[in-house]
Amino acid sequence: QSVLTQPPSLSAAPGQKVTISCSGSSSNIGNNYVSWYQQFPGTAPKLLISENNKRPSGIPDRFSGSKSDTSATLGITGLQAGDEADYYCGTWDSSLSAWVFGGGTKLTVL
Amino acid sequence: EVRLVESGGGFVKPGGSLRLSCAASGFSFNNVWMSWVRQTPGKGLEWVGRLKSQPNGGPTDYAAPLKGRFIISGDASKNTLYLQMDNLQAEDTAVYFCATGTGGIKWGQGTLVTVSS
Repeated sequence: QSVLTQPPSLSAAPGQKVTISCSGSSSNIGNNYVSWYQQFPGTAPKLLISENNKRPSGIPDRFSGSKSDTSATLGITGLQAGDEADYYCGTWDSSLSAWVFGGGTKLTVL
Repeated sequence: EVRLVESGGGFVKPGGSLRLSCAASGFSFNNVWMSWVRQTPGKGLEWVGRLKSQPNGGPTDYAAPLKGRFIISGDASKNTLYLQMDNLQAEDTAVYFCATGTGGIKWGQGTLVTVSS
């Protein structure tokens, strides 16, 4: 049972927009920055979004992040076949003094 | 370019120990946070812990369930991060990644640890 809650799976057609939610509490998302990661099978995760909404160099602006209260959202516009991957949210939990991840969302591009 | 290369994974019997290494290049990890994250086959990511490597040791934090069995250390002269794992159990079977930052900015490719009799 993950501290952060994500939908296990989502699907959408190419070209569409999809949003992935991440729900937490005041001890984690509510008072700390959220990061988002993309992971393809058999590879290491890759940082997509840091500090709620900052994209590292090289990440397309099709990817965006936002946060409101104790929830965060990853948005992907202009969905492409190559976006089919697992997506994780993560943040610091001040009560646990630990980094926590969501359970991951498997995105399928139809 | 930042590069992280993990090594030291392999097969170990329950109750055994293993030490993983993470060789960093392209930056000095002196006084920056470095983390270990693991991923059970087919499952999600689990944060193991972090170290802020400093000349005479540095602060560490661990995931509560792993504290006491796992120890993170670093050698700034070698730009290498370590994860000492003791009393390993089947549920510790996972791919272990090292990463820069607390939650993972740049990641290594991971090393597989299999605990089995």
